[in-house]
Amino acid sequence: DTGVSQDPRHKITKRGQNVTFRCDPISEHNRLYWYRQTLGQGPEFLTYFQNEAQLEKSRLLSDRFSAERPKGSFSTLEIQRTEQGDSAMYLCASSPIQGINTEAFFGQGTRLTVV
Amino acid sequence: GENVEQHPSTLSVQEGDSAVIKCTYSDSASNYFPWYKQELGKRPQLIIDIRSNVGEKKDQRIAVTLNKTAKHFSLHITETQPEDSAVYFCAATSNFGNEKLTFGTGTRLTIIP
Repeated sequence: DTGVSQDPRHKITKRGQNVTFRCDPISEHNRLYWYRQTLGQGPEFLTYFQNEAQLEKSRLLSDRFSAERPKGSFSTLEIQRTEQGDSAMYLCASSPIQGINTEAFFGQGTRLTVV
Repeated sequence: GENVEQHPSTLSVQEGDSAVIKCTYSDSASNYFPWYKQELGKRPQLIIDIRSNVGEKKDQRIAVTLNKTAKHFSLHITETQPEDSAVYFCAATSNFGNEKLTFGTGTRLTIIP
């Protein structure tokens, strides 16, 4: 499969625990985005990388959230001290930089449930 | 920052009829407007996009129109089929797609056989 892959697909955790999600983008894509989607809403931007550099982080993003893309390939999103309000689908997307085709390809997401 | 509003939130049409979904955006710097289709439990997938240098784009039964002056764009689906049933999201961004997307809240389209 040459698409964007995310792991795990589902995660149930107890409030207060830390969780980490992984995203593997399409190999030639420089840009990698994290979005959060709650039921009945559109995806909401969290942060994005160009290669290994984190270029923007949403002001809505709590300091409990951190993301990395250490070698400019896969990325991880960590949530510390999870809260029930963190329950959502976490989507990763990747896109090439510049050029005519800038389509963002999404992964299937990691559904987080905090109990 | 950008704000995208989408209407209606739900839409039911008879199979074979047309469906129209409308979005407005706030940031005049936005110049790339993709539409995504998301089926239940699946990833959002791009179905069509438009850049600000054109007013309309068509791909078979799907078309998108853009009015830069009014800051609104619309998705048109003709000859609807049951497989068109899904949630559709509009989005806007600047730099012709090389920035983060701001999404609308989605339209749940149901095609009635």
